[in-house]
Amino acid sequence: KAGVTQTPRYLIKTRGQQVTLSCSPISGHRSVSWYQQTPGQGLQFLFEYFSETQRNKGNFPGRFSGRQFSNSRSEMNVSTLELGDSALYLCASSEDQETQYFGPGTRLLVL
Amino acid sequence: QKEVEQNSGPLSVPEGAIASLNCTYSDRVSQSFFWYRQYSGKSPELIMSIYSNGDKEDGRFTAQLNKASQYVSLLIRDSQPSDSATYLCAVPPSWAGGTSYGKLTFGQGTILTVHP
Repeated sequence: KAGVTQTPRYLIKTRGQQVTLSCSPISGHRSVSWYQQTPGQGLQFLFEYFSETQRNKGNFPGRFSGRQFSNSRSEMNVSTLELGDSALYLCASSEDQETQYFGPGTRLLVL
Repeated sequence: QKEVEQNSGPLSVPEGAIASLNCTYSDRVSQSFFWYRQYSGKSPELIMSIYSNGDKEDGRFTAQLNKASQYVSLLIRDSQPSDSATYLCAVPPSWAGGTSYGKLTFGQGTILTVHP
């Protein structure tokens, strides 16, 4: 099976802009989780989607949102970007709702 | 107490030695544990999962779980320079209803360097 794919791989934005990141899970996996990774905070959970429903959300401001489509592909959106949003954004898919497989990530730089 | 703690590192071992990475967790009802390897600039890669007390071996890797002590470790035998990476311990939360879905809690990671 193909692995988790994420697009784009790299992104440069300026403060105040918005960004949309995309994730395609492993075929057959219906759960998609999103994480933010920064050197200072490590891996932090953003949210999880299953069958187009957000089932869990981490402690991030409302500027961070997401959605999932009927084919399990997921997108996350960050509005009004801040410098502190610069990070590696990772999505992970799961079949059993515990074992997660990560995509290559999207590296976002906010200037 | 942090939910998942790993030995601070960085850890440096010579090639061919055994590298020992440790992780403690606070949630007493956790049933499964995962070790991920992350190379610099790359995403985490799942290398081991363990669900039962005792040891689980996979090639040069051995995961050890002690639920009574809330302790999980990863041993890497015959360490190679290609093992140099950050190793992350991850724990799914106990099933406490809707707050648990899809969230792995990670330790801060241990940087391992294997020198020739």
